[in-house]
Amino acid sequence: GQNIDQPTEMTATEGAIVQINCTYQTSGFNGLFWYQQHAGEAPTFLSYNVLDGLEEKGRFSSFLSRSKGYSYLLLKELQMKDSASYLCAVSSNTGKLIFGQGTTLQVKP
Amino acid sequence: GAVVSQHPSWVICKSGTSVKIECRSLDFQATTMFWYRQFPKQSLMLMATSNEGSKATYEQGVEKDKFLINHASLTLSTLTVTSAHPEDSSFYICSASGGNPETQYFGPGTRLLVL
Repeated sequence: GQNIDQPTEMTATEGAIVQINCTYQTSGFNGLFWYQQHAGEAPTFLSYNVLDGLEEKGRFSSFLSRSKGYSYLLLKELQMKDSASYLCAVSSNTGKLIFGQGTTLQVKP
Repeated sequence: GAVVSQHPSWVICKSGTSVKIECRSLDFQATTMFWYRQFPKQSLMLMATSNEGSKATYEQGVEKDKFLINHASLTLSTLTVTSAHPEDSSFYICSASGGNPETQYFGPGTRLLVL
């Protein structure tokens, strides 16, 4: 079966660092994506990992361990505008994306 | 690069009417387009996968006669919600892939309200 788990909600303080975890069990794997979605808007692409390791892109980094079925998104120097839902999605062999439920991050002053 | 547009962004219609939503890839050729639906506080649910020039592949539970998909060119796909009912009210989002085969880029979404 297909299963992607991530925490439902997280809260962090402006300026801090937060790590959003994602575990997955899928019948095929062709990469893992992280998207950011603000309320009422469509998702925007943040990162893509297909090999093990850490991908850094400015304040955002994403890590993948294929053997453990595990990824995390790391957000540094949090800003108020980072308050959003963060979606973990696995690309199957057919190119379809299987989404987790999303993690709603609230950044407080 | 990798910009996807959707039109309209908002639509309100009466029950029983049909609504057409357009999805365009503006700066790349999209070999595959995807249509999703998202209800409040829920994640995206894939409705169908559309490849240019061929019939769409629908996910289980999605009525192909109700949600008509046409992918006439490498830059345009349309979703028509036929005989819309209030339960079809939702946020419809398309995505396109093709520039980087592994990455889907999302349109801004279309919010449909059926009265």
